[in-house]
Amino acid sequence: NAGVTQTPKFQVLKTGQSMTLQCAQDMNHEYMSWYRQDPGMGLRLIHYSVGAGITDQGEVPNGYNVSRSTTEDFPLRLLSAAPSQTSVYFCASSYWPEQYFGPGTRLTVT
Amino acid sequence: DAKTTQPTSMDCAEGRAANLPCNHSTISGNEYVYWYRQIHSQGPQYIIHGLKNNETNEMASLIITEDRKSSTLILPHATLRDTAVYYCIVREGGNDYKLSFGAGTTVTVRA
Repeated sequence: NAGVTQTPKFQVLKTGQSMTLQCAQDMNHEYMSWYRQDPGMGLRLIHYSVGAGITDQGEVPNGYNVSRSTTEDFPLRLLSAAPSQTSVYFCASSYWPEQYFGPGTRLTVT
Repeated sequence: DAKTTQPTSMDCAEGRAANLPCNHSTISGNEYVYWYRQIHSQGPQYIIHGLKNNETNEMASLIITEDRKSSTLILPHATLRDTAVYYCIVREGGNDYKLSFGAGTTVTVRA
């Protein structure tokens, strides 16, 4: 099993650009989540999904959209990138009691 | 969710036990204690969880006080590879897919 995979590993955007961070898992987990981690801080929940077709907002959802058309994939869309969205983004899938995290995408917005 | 309080940092000698404390004085009856660690900006890794009984697995032991207001994660024989940020998280059972991570404890294992 590949587990949770994320692409790209690194990305630089200009302010106002949009992009999609990809996340996929091959463990057939119903639950998936997106977090962001700013320097020196813990992870904060952006959006999560409890199954295909069902998503909900986390702690810091503004500026991000998600969709879940399949169990495997949970992409995160940045609508209009801002410097405040410079961060490391982690995707995770869950099967109680454990969350399995991907390697992260390091995003810089200039 | 109950808030947790952890020391900012701690050092440990290689080969010795590392005892990581966590206070969660407002924990409610249906909330579990989870521990994760994050090694050098990798994705966090699950370590262990518990409700009220002490738990042990191949990575660590979790000791929860009888009143459940605090807990201790024990790494029995710390190695250099255990250097990481350790997060203590309290969350209702079944809601592990939306965890709230604080700043954690930076543990440095020294040779």
